[in-house]
Amino acid sequence: EDQVTQSPEALRLQEGESSSLNCSYTVSGLRGLFWYRQDPGKGPEFLFTLYSAGEEKEKERLKATLTKKESFLHITAPKPEDSATYLCAVQATQTSGSRLTFGEGTQLTVNP
Amino acid sequence: DTEVTQTPKHLVMGMTNKKSLKCEQHMGHRAMYWYKQKAKKPPELMFVYSYEKLSINESVPSRFSPECPNSSLLNLHLHALQPEDSALYLCASSQSQGGDTQYFGPGTRLTVL
Repeated sequence: EDQVTQSPEALRLQEGESSSLNCSYTVSGLRGLFWYRQDPGKGPEFLFTLYSAGEEKEKERLKATLTKKESFLHITAPKPEDSATYLCAVQATQTSGSRLTFGEGTQLTVNP
Repeated sequence: DTEVTQTPKHLVMGMTNKKSLKCEQHMGHRAMYWYKQKAKKPPELMFVYSYEKLSINESVPSRFSPECPNSSLLNLHLHALQPEDSALYLCASSQSQGGDTQYFGPGTRLTVL
């Protein structure tokens, strides 16, 4: 069974204090790993898709990396507007259709 | 443009009402999805349409009835819902059904009284 575990559950940072969020996964074969950002009461906003170990993608203050067992979302010099819940999801090669297995999310708070 | 739109933003309904949620995308995507999300939980897949045909039903109760009138539109018809069905209902779309990024809409906040 595919599993995704995100840590920590919650993270409080001061503005400018860089950190990383972790997404550990177990799948029979990885088709893709997806990072989303979700603000309260809104739909998830797509951030990154990673397909193979060693792949890295960047967008503004965010950088996502992927190994065979986990993905990291690095946040450099965060700002209060980066406060949100960050969701990680995987899609397995043997999954029928396009099921995403989500982690429980990391709730990030950045204080000014 | 990666926009998925949903209407209404909020919906309050009684247990005997019939209502519909609507979703639209103009990205030429051929797969569309309905998810349900409870507070502080990740989205749960309900239905998947691929090329306007229902391809996945995650054992959703029949009081939820999906419809895909064309490749850009997705509806979710609601009837005789229960208070525990109150949640954020999300629509998403992707280029195709396998391995492509799913783009989510803003959601409809549903409250069942």
